[in-house]
Amino acid sequence: NAGVTQTPKFQVLKTGQSMTLQCAQDMNHNSMYWYRQDPGMGLRLIYYSASEGTTDKGEVPNGYNVSRLNKREFSLRLESAAPSQTSVYFCASSEVRHLGGNEQFFGPGTRLTVL
Amino acid sequence: DQQVKQNSPSLSVQEGRISILNCDYTNSMFDYFLWYKKYPAEGPTFLISISSIKDKNEDGRFTVFLNKSAKHLSLHIVPSQPGDSAVYFCAASGGAQKLVFGQGTRLTINP
Repeated sequence: NAGVTQTPKFQVLKTGQSMTLQCAQDMNHNSMYWYRQDPGMGLRLIYYSASEGTTDKGEVPNGYNVSRLNKREFSLRLESAAPSQTSVYFCASSEVRHLGGNEQFFGPGTRLTVL
Repeated sequence: DQQVKQNSPSLSVQEGRISILNCDYTNSMFDYFLWYKKYPAEGPTFLISISSIKDKNEDGRFTVFLNKSAKHLSLHIVPSQPGDSAVYFCAASGGAQKLVFGQGTRLTINP
């Protein structure tokens, strides 16, 4: 039971290059999320997927696209990377309960540097 | 507009003493609150949560207190141990799936 896995762990891009960050979970959760973490900013939601086949914007979606490939996998794509996208990216998943509560389980992160 | 705020970027506590981490929120629609712990180069891990119908929740050495009138929650760690040194994030949600996170507080436990 690996939980939430992310690939790659590290990536260096040049401005304008594209890449896709991969995320998979084996907990059979319906909901998945992408966050970025920047110093002093906490975790900010980029996109989320409440269930297979749906995606919604979060707080900072500009410059990103997502795909919910199936229940297990949720990818994040940078079409034309910019230095402002240098960050640590975390994927998370959860099973939202009817009576509230949304404990999200996080992957180990991808450290991305855009030169 | 920062809806969840952790005003102390860092906190240093002696081993064995109590650590108190604070968090304030502005959105009165928030009804569920969580604390996460994060070690360097790892993802955040869930620590403890509290629903707005309660004012206290305990789990071993960790206790979360919620003061709804003040829109304030705190995490108490007693006794503090060296392994508790990490960054702690508070988070809140309001009936939806999205969590709003604070900026984090770096806790250092000194031997």
